[in-house]
Amino acid sequence: AQSVAQPEDQVNVAEGNPLTVKCTYSVSGNPYLFWYVQYPNRGLQFLLKYITGDNLVKGSYGFEAEFNKSQTSFHLKKPSALVSDSALYFCAVTGGYSSASKIIFGSGTRLSIRP
Amino acid sequence: DTGVSQDPRHKITKRGQNVTFRCDPISEHNRLYWYRQTLGQGPEFLTYFQNEAQLEKSRLLSDRFSAERPKGSFSTLEIQRTEQGDSAMYLCASSLVRDLGQINTEAFFGQGTRLTVV
Repeated sequence: AQSVAQPEDQVNVAEGNPLTVKCTYSVSGNPYLFWYVQYPNRGLQFLLKYITGDNLVKGSYGFEAEFNKSQTSFHLKKPSALVSDSALYFCAVTGGYSSASKIIFGSGTRLSIRP
Repeated sequence: DTGVSQDPRHKITKRGQNVTFRCDPISEHNRLYWYRQTLGQGPEFLTYFQNEAQLEKSRLLSDRFSAERPKGSFSTLEIQRTEQGDSAMYLCASSLVRDLGQINTEAFFGQGTRLTVV
């Protein structure tokens, strides 16, 4: 069975500092990994994905994520945080062996950027 | 707008009533998901379809919940005999899955239907 864990309910960062939001996963076969962001009263927006290839993937709004197979992690990062990055972030995973695999989401991490 | 569309956006119903929600996916997408989300929590998987075939239904889902995608396009989610615990945001998402390449692309979400059971 596939699963994803976001160990931090909340991450607080000062504007201009780097940020990291953690995610670990468990899946049979090769994982496909995603990050989504949700702003208040808005739907989930896709940020970036890892399918194959380069372990560092870049996405929207200056975010990037690093895939680490040995640590089964896919942490979200940004070199310099903005107040507007404050939102709820979700990591998601699906298995790669079967095209029938569903997408499973983590419990979310609330990112708060203080001015 | 060619995104995922959900209707209605809000629904208030009395306990015990039946409700039905509709989702129109992005037109070329062959996979459709339903999730439930409560405040501050992650989307909880309910069920998903590949074209018109329902591939899986969550074991956590009671028999009061049923979903259909009769022609492989739009989908409906019905909740019978609603309970207060059913109050949540119901999210629909769609994606394009290339069976031969076994590549799952990202899912795109609608704005959701917020259900309140009173």
